Amino acid sequence: GQNIDQPTEMTATEGAIVQINCTYQTSGFNGLFWYQQHAGEAPTFLSYNVLDGLEEKGRFSSFLSRSKGYSYLLLKELQMKDSASYLCAVTDSNYQLIWGAGTKLIIKP
Amino acid sequence: ETGVTQTPRHLVMGMTNKKSLKCEQHLGHNAMYWYKQSAKKPLELMFVYSLEERVENNSVPSRFSPECPNSSHLFLHLHTLQPEDSALYLCASSQTLDRTYEQYFGPGTRLTVT
Repeated sequence: GQNIDQPTEMTATEGAIVQINCTYQTSGFNGLFWYQQHAGEAPTFLSYNVLDGLEEKGRFSSFLSRSKGYSYLLLKELQMKDSASYLCAVTDSNYQLIWGAGTKLIIKP
Repeated sequence: ETGVTQTPRHLVMGMTNKKSLKCEQHLGHNAMYWYKQSAKKPLELMFVYSLEERVENNSVPSRFSPECPNSSHLFLHLHTLQPEDSALYLCASSQTLDRTYEQYFGPGTRLTVT
């Protein structure tokens, strides 16, 4: 079956760096998304990786290794507003979007 | 209004009630989606519409009935629901059906079935 694994919950300190991992086993691969979802709000798009490597967007970076079935989202200079759930999703070879259960990130002062 | 809007934001209904969820997208997108989000579970895709035509129905019980009268509006009609149907129902849209395009989500309807 198809599966995406990410930690259920992580805690980090304001101003620090945190890395949220996502591993996937899917039938083929056509890209990987990261979304941010604040409690009670809509998921919002953060990044899309289809090629190996690191993509940086301000304080957020996303990394992909297709050979390892692995991605991470790196958040730098953490702010309290970064407290949210982070959803990993993979588009498979049939262009179906497979979702992870999300990682709840708690930021402490 | 911009983006994707959903009403109501919260809904409590009994198992014998009939209610409808509404979604509207102001982005000119061609594809719209209904998802169910339960705590600590992955998003479950329920229905997919492309230009008002239903293109996917992922084994959803018949007590959920979607309707797409035009490419900007999507409804989810609910009747004789079960307590396990309590969840956050999210609507989303994307430029096309191609799942390499990002999806834009509404804030969801928090549904409680009593």
